[in-house]
Amino acid sequence: DGGITQSPKYLFRKEGQNVTLSCEQNLNHDAMYWYRQDPGQGLRLIYYSQIVNDFQKGDIAEGYSVSREKKESFPLTVTSAQKNPTAFYLCASSLGQGGNTEAFFGQGTRLTVV
Amino acid sequence: KQEVTQIPAALSVPEGENLVLNCSFTDSAIYNLQWFRQDPGKGLTSLLLIQSSQREQTSGRLNASLDKSSGRSTLYIAASQPGDSATYLCAVIAIKAAGNKLTFGGGTRVLVKP
Repeated sequence: DGGITQSPKYLFRKEGQNVTLSCEQNLNHDAMYWYRQDPGQGLRLIYYSQIVNDFQKGDIAEGYSVSREKKESFPLTVTSAQKNPTAFYLCASSLGQGGNTEAFFGQGTRLTVV
Repeated sequence: KQEVTQIPAALSVPEGENLVLNCSFTDSAIYNLQWFRQDPGKGLTSLLLIQSSQREQTSGRLNASLDKSSGRSTLYIAASQPGDSATYLCAVIAIKAAGNKLTFGGGTRVLVKP
C-alpha cells in the first residue's frame, strides 16, 4: 500500500524532554511537510522540505527541529524549548513540482505533555 | 497574506439532503484548491483537487466548483448519508507561497442525522 505512515499514534512527553515523531512515505514524493492542529486554530505549518538534505522553517518553527536525510523520511523533534507542545501533529507529502500537485496526509500523532 | 475562510463552522442536516459547503480565499493567485475530509482523531483524506485552470471536479456524489475571480469554492455532497458526518477542510496553494505550502480554512463540521 502506498501512503504516509506516522508513528506513534499517541505520545506523552514529560516537561523538559525532547521527543521525536516519525513520518515515512513510500509515494516517491519530493516534498514533505509538518503541520500542527489545535482546536479552533486550524492547521499551521511547522517545517517543510522540498528535497533531500534541505528544509525550511514554516510559520511556527520555534521549539521544533527536523531532518531530511532520506527522501522517504522526515522526522520531527519537539524540543523542550516548545512551550506548548500538546497538539495533533500531521505529516504530509506531495510531488512538489510547482503547485499543481495533490497533498496526502498521514493519520497523525497526538502529543500530550504530562 | 492568503486567508481562507469556511462558513458555517458547523452544519447539521437530515439524511438524504444535499450538503453545500463554502470556502473563500482572499488572494486569487493560486495553483490549486484541495478539499479534505477529517474524521475525529484521524488524519486528512483528500477528496478533490481543483487546478487553477479548472472550474469544477467531480467524484461520485461529490462535486467541487472553483471561481477564482471571486475567491470562492463550493463542495456539494449529494444525498447525504450518516457516514458523511465529519469535518471538511479546504486549502489552497498560493502562487506566492514558499514551498508550495497549503493554507487551510478552519473547517466545517458536518453532522448528518439518520
